[in-house]
Amino acid sequence: LAKTTQPISMDSYEGQEVNITCSHNNIATNDYITWYQQFPSQGPRFIIQGYKTKVTNEVASLFIPADRKSSTLSLPRVSLSDTAVYYCLVGAPMDSSYKLIFGSGTRLLVRP
Amino acid sequence: NAGVTQTPKFRVLKTGQSMTLLCAQDMNHEYMYWYRQDPGMGLRLIHYSVGEGTTAKGEVPDGYNVSRLKKQNFLLGLESAAPSQTSVYFCASKNGGLGQGIRNTGELFFGEGSRLTVL
Repeated sequence: LAKTTQPISMDSYEGQEVNITCSHNNIATNDYITWYQQFPSQGPRFIIQGYKTKVTNEVASLFIPADRKSSTLSLPRVSLSDTAVYYCLVGAPMDSSYKLIFGSGTRLLVRP
Repeated sequence: NAGVTQTPKFRVLKTGQSMTLLCAQDMNHEYMYWYRQDPGMGLRLIHYSVGEGTTAKGEVPDGYNVSRLKKQNFLLGLESAAPSQTSVYFCASKNGGLGQGIRNTGELFFGEGSRLTVL
């Protein structure tokens, strides 16, 4: 599985756009990039997944450059309720050997 | 549709006692996982299963055993609990590989967690 590197923490204010970058230099051809969000005392939940270029859903956007060695999760106009830990995972979800190992994640604090 | 259900949600053990955590999913998922999360830390994979009757070790398997006798259940056992096993335990499940749908992202579905304290 490709190793991922994320910032440990980030601070923001309500209404701002937040971009969290994940580095994955040894990403494999079949690997996808998946982001999860975890609120305190809850299990993580799936936010978004992409393979290349840009993916957007009702929660976030995911930007992946052509070399796929990094990716950026973009949260538009964050609110206090977006305070959470965000995890970047890289791997092939359809692969039976996909162990789904989480890194330390990025702790986002949104201030009023 | 309950999703992923963990039992019990809270438990206090004394050092050396044994216990079993039960994870049940009603989504007919092939893969199931057990993670532990220590305060302020990320999730660490303990054991996982890619199908009924199969199990495999994750990052931190020592001190734990698992069983997957039925597809919908994944049990995590502690034979002799130690204070270092005080943690929140999360179970998760997901669909298998190809054939589960074109748009299968392999999304993990998590339970609410089981908080275990070993004194």
